[in-house]
Amino acid sequence: EAGVTQFPSHSVIEKGQTVTLRCDPISGHDNLYWYRRVMGKEIKFLLHFVKESKQDESGMPNNRFLAERTGGTYSTLKVQPAELEDSGVYFCASSQETGGSEQYFGPGTRLTVT
Amino acid sequence: TQLLEQSPQFLSIQEGENLTVYCNSSSVFSSLQWYRQEPGEGPVLLVTVVTGGEVKKLKRLTFQFGDARKDSSLHITAAQPGDTGLYLCAGRSNDYKLSFGAGTTVTVRA
Repeated sequence: EAGVTQFPSHSVIEKGQTVTLRCDPISGHDNLYWYRRVMGKEIKFLLHFVKESKQDESGMPNNRFLAERTGGTYSTLKVQPAELEDSGVYFCASSQETGGSEQYFGPGTRLTVT
Repeated sequence: TQLLEQSPQFLSIQEGENLTVYCNSSSVFSSLQWYRQEPGEGPVLLVTVVTGGEVKKLKRLTFQFGDARKDSSLHITAAQPGDTGLYLCAGRSNDYKLSFGAGTTVTVRA
């Protein structure tokens, strides 16, 4: 069974540009999560989808971040326009059920904004 | 924001030695998880502890959840170079949201 995949693995963009990160969850997992780790800090929750619906986006930093999960399969996280402080590693995770279910993490996308 | 503090931040030991990593919080969690992350990969779940005072063993790894469900520890006996990695604790206070500690980087020298 394929795990959670993320694309790209690395992205280097200039301040003010737009970047779109993609996450493909494990097949059949309705729950999809985005997390972010900025340098020197802990991994922080960004948002949670159940199928195509946003259940909780309380961790989204500001309105420059837009997450979508059309069709309830893969998800995208767009940053527009990117700022220097957006640099970090963005992780996606998926789980089969919401309550207490193990979250399986992808390898992450390392975003560098210069 | 529920803060989980891990200590130490870095740990370098010789193969065969024992080590303990601590995870402390002022908040109560319904469960606490320990993950291990290797370079270029995402965190991988090692164990979940749920009950206060619970002790779980995974081969040479022993996990303990504090009685008040606010703190936890990970003890590795006779560490091996393959134990090298970033160890993360994460608390779960509701059904899904994980609050992570900053991690402990463990290096086991051969």
